[in-house]
Amino acid sequence: ETGVTQTPRHLVMGMTNKKSLKCEQHLGHNAMYWYKQSAKKPLELMFVYSLEERVENNSVPSRFSPECPNSSHLFLHLHTLQPEDSALYLCASSSLGGALGTDTQYFGPGTRLTVL
Amino acid sequence: RKEVEQDPGPFNVPEGATVAFNCTYSNSASQSFFWYRQDCRKEPKLLMSVYSSGNEDGRFTAQLNRASQYISLLIRDSKLSDSATYLCVVKGMDSSYKLIFGSGTRLLVRP
Repeated sequence: ETGVTQTPRHLVMGMTNKKSLKCEQHLGHNAMYWYKQSAKKPLELMFVYSLEERVENNSVPSRFSPECPNSSHLFLHLHTLQPEDSALYLCASSSLGGALGTDTQYFGPGTRLTVL
Repeated sequence: RKEVEQDPGPFNVPEGATVAFNCTYSNSASQSFFWYRQDCRKEPKLLMSVYSSGNEDGRFTAQLNRASQYISLLIRDSKLSDSATYLCVVKGMDSSYKLIFGSGTRLLVRP
């Protein structure tokens, strides 16, 4: 399935590095999301973009910086991360404002991030 | 209290068994409910939505009990391929997009 793609799939970085995660959706959706999934914890919503405008930021540290240049692309810029930021970062997209039941969120395969 | 609570399991069952998971949610005003499936090291995928009247999709049956604020998932005739983590998901009343995920229930189906 290639509805939502993410790159890279795996990333190892030091605490002083700067890197970016990329997400692309091919489903014609108008909303995109970043989630964090840590071991044995539920998915945590980090950012939501609707029509390329950020509509929610769940008090995420500033070392995570999202960017949504258009409705098909979403980035997560990372800098000076901490080891506890190691997790699976999932991108999702959905169609908002449509009929009930059409707003299912579809997830990308995720980027497994390890911070040394 | 967590917004969405699930028994983490694992539930270890033989092929062909029937297994049921429950999930409780804290916000009585929640309107939409889902079960997602997540395979090891993969992304979550929607398994089924949960409707007030209950709904069935092949071997899977989902039910909602608003009075007790829980939803359930029943899997009949378990297959080896059903082994996965099942995530209970609730849509917040105050948002058209915010999903609240449980930590998941792990199912292992053995030969």
